[in-house]
Amino acid sequence: QSALTQPHSVSGSPGQSVTISCTGTSSDVGGYNHVSWYQQYPGKAPKFMIHDVTKRPSGVPDRFSGSKSGNTASLTISGLQAEDEADYYCCSYAGGRYVFGTGTKVTVL
Amino acid sequence: EVRLVESGGGLAQPGRSLRLSCTTSGFTFADYAMGWVRQAPGKGLEWVGFIRSKLYGGTTDHAASVKGRFTISRDDSKSIAYLQMNSLKTEDTALYYCSKYSGYSLEYWGQGALVTVPS
Repeated sequence: QSALTQPHSVSGSPGQSVTISCTGTSSDVGGYNHVSWYQQYPGKAPKFMIHDVTKRPSGVPDRFSGSKSGNTASLTISGLQAEDEADYYCCSYAGGRYVFGTGTKVTVL
Repeated sequence: EVRLVESGGGLAQPGRSLRLSCTTSGFTFADYAMGWVRQAPGKGLEWVGFIRSKLYGGTTDHAASVKGRFTISRDDSKSIAYLQMNSLKTEDTALYYCSKYSGYSLEYWGQGALVTVPS
């Protein structure tokens, strides 16, 4: 099972929006509405940010949003803030197993 | 407050075994699937496997990279999940995170246990 494909890095200025793509196949991203996203600061454990493609757990700011089209899911951070600078990983259910994305470093300029 | 604490990490020679424990509190352990994710130094996250709750059969699934070598189990009476790692390889060197599932997502994570398999 290959990792889902994410851009290595994206960047934006404070207040701008950035979008991170997560491309898989019809066996994972395209086949299920069970894509989740995780934020990870250096040296820290990942934090759960989005589940089931579009849903935000309580406590996650509404500037984080998720979507999906075909085999590609996306995470958009609107109104970018300094504390959003971190690594982000997508994860998809793939029929009894899970697969993570390659990870994207978000830099706030 | 949900807490997940991994233990049992350390140095293991290639071919040897190691068992990680994930001690939990703050939720009804028996009601949830539990899993393990690893992260090699400087690399991304890799799903290792998970174990369903008894309500869903208590069955397990493992990544192809560890299948046949690693086994996940659980003790609902102690609220602990385990990762038994046999036939360790150098490429198993990583920080191993325990996670609590909610639906199809990894809702809570521990701080990780480092496993080092030297070459």
